[in-house]
Amino acid sequence: GENVEQHPSTLSVQEGDSAVIKCTYSDSASNYFPWYKQELGKGPQLIIDIRSNVGEKKDQRIAVTLNKTAKHFSLHITETQPEDSAVYFCASRRWSSNTGKLIFGQGTTLQVKP
Amino acid sequence: EAQVTQNPRYLITVTGKKLTVTCSQNMNHEYMSWYRQDPGLGLRQIYYSMNVEVTDKGDVPEGYKVSRKEKRNFPLILESPSPNQTSLYFCATGEGSPLHFGNGTRLTVT
Repeated sequence: GENVEQHPSTLSVQEGDSAVIKCTYSDSASNYFPWYKQELGKGPQLIIDIRSNVGEKKDQRIAVTLNKTAKHFSLHITETQPEDSAVYFCASRRWSSNTGKLIFGQGTTLQVKP
Repeated sequence: EAQVTQNPRYLITVTGKKLTVTCSQNMNHEYMSWYRQDPGLGLRQIYYSMNVEVTDKGDVPEGYKVSRKEKRNFPLILESPSPNQTSLYFCATGEGSPLHFGNGTRLTVT
């Protein structure tokens, strides 16, 4: 079935360093790739997303890249800060309708050490 | 303010004792969904609803029921909970992107 593999499961970086989380998807028809951030005690929140007609998207310190040929996409966080510490989930979806199912990765726990 | 409200936030129960986790949204969205989150497994969809009186199974529906009698509410029902249903549960709603999640219900079944 469709699945999304996410790595690493945990990531620890020093404040100010960069962090990269990678995901690989199986469904070649997927065309929408969001990233969610889950802070302690809260539900996941969308932080950035990318569609398959775009190779890269940036929003301040975060960026997402997509390689459709290899079926993988990555989240890049630069100049990390302690408030970036959270669990991050990637997901993929076929955007044929607004009810297309999101398939989530396993999650990455990011710890940013001050 | 757009909100997805789940209750309760924490629940400890015993095997076989029926329970309901409520979910309510104020965004007038047609689509609602339930997920469970387990370590190393990410978020897995339990059930979803595309509109009132329309529900369908997700990836892990066994042992769960849902109902959608009105647009804003989408309760998750465990008729006979078992320890393997100990998990963190999230309700979500959305039209297109993004999905809006509730703050979760941590369920422990002993």
